Parts: sequence; C-alpha cells; structure tokens
Amino acid sequence: QVYLVQSGAEVKRPGASLRLSCKTSGYSFSSYSIHWLRRVPGQRLEWMGWINCANGDTRYSQQFQGRLTITKDTSASTAYMDLSSLGSEDTALYYCAREIISCGYQNWGQGTLVTVSS
Amino acid sequence: DIQMTQSPSTLSASVGDRVTITCRASQNVGIKLAWYQQKPGKAPNLLIYKTSILEDGVPSRFSGSGSGTEFTLTIGSLQPDDFATYFCQHYIAYPFTFGPGTKVDI
Repeated sequence: QVYLVQSGAEVKRPGASLRLSCKTSGYSFSSYSIHWLRRVPGQRLEWMGWINCANGDTRYSQQFQGRLTITKDTSASTAYMDLSSLGSEDTALYYCAREIISCGYQNWGQGTLVTVSS
Repeated sequence: DIQMTQSPSTLSASVGDRVTITCRASQNVGIKLAWYQQKPGKAPNLLIYKTSILEDGVPSRFSGSGSGTEFTLTIGSLQPDDFATYFCQHYIAYPFTFGPGTKVDI
C-alpha cells in the first residue's frame, strides 16, 4: 500500500518561511516524482512544482520562482517543500502527490493546512 | 498557461441518474487529461487518466471521453457514494492546471 504522509498544520507570520514534508512508503521512492500542489480557499487546485526523485531535478511554477524550493531525502523516502517570504495569500491547504508519468496523480498526501497571519 | 473550465459548476441529481460533466481546455491537450473526485476533508482521488482509462478500483459506472480541447466525465448511474466534487486536470505541459470543479449534490 502506497502512503504519503504530510507534516502537520502550520501557522506562520507574514515574511516567514515554511517547510513541509511528505514522507512516502510502500513503493520505490526514486522511481517516481513528487509534486506539490495547493488549494487557496475558494480557488482551484494549483500546481506548484515537482521533483524527480531519481536525480533531484526540479521544476517550479513561474508563480513561485525564487521562493519555492523542493528537495528530497532519498534515505528517508521524503520530499520537502520550502516556501519563503510568506504572505496572507499563501494561506492554503498544501498537498504532495505522486505522479505516475502520463497517468495523473495516483496517490496524495492528506494535506497540510498552512495559515499565514499576523 | 492552459486554462481549464468546467460545466456545470453545480449539478443536482438523484441516485440512479446519468450525469455528465464537461471540461474544456484553452489549448489542445491531446488526451493528457485526468479526472479526480474529492470529498470534503479528503484528498483528491484519481478516477480517470489519459482521458478514458479507469484507475484501478474505480467503478465501471465512471467513464471519460474526448480529446483536444473538450472532454466529458460520465457517471452511468449515480450512487450515494458519488456525491462529491469532480475536477479535471491536464498534464500535457507545465504548469499542469486544474478545472474549478463540479459539485454533484442531491
């Protein structure tokens, strides 16, 4: 059984940085990519970026360029998302998801609620 | 970026009804389109990928069709467990984008 377990809810001040984790199990971590997505309240799901868990290559949405970094720890089968310079507009439910190439997101984390407020 | 739209935004239906949801892309996405179901407080669940291929374990009452810029998700006979929000997603190029969702309620 494949599992993606995300870290817990966060409350951050504007200007702070955020690190979320996504611990995976039940499959070969290096064989698939992990994507990070989010849903801002009242808006549609938004793709943020992904990491190739085999070689560490990353790609980010232009919207987050410069403040988003996705990394991995292969020994821990865990992917991380770092987002800096948080603003209230970053208040959202964040998800990690495992992509099966050309087959969509087959597995999702449970979601992590992030609240940015002064 | 490719813009995804869905219609209707809300759909009221009854158990046993045949339900069709439409998804449109602002550019040709070929057949690189997926459908997800999401229930309140839960992560999305992949139903269909490559426009028409059912994910393992998804009931056969779900089906998908289309290509290019217009796609449909059909639920052949709505069951109580199907009341949820459905959204489409293209994955032909980054950034992947999602439809706004269609809420199916009673």
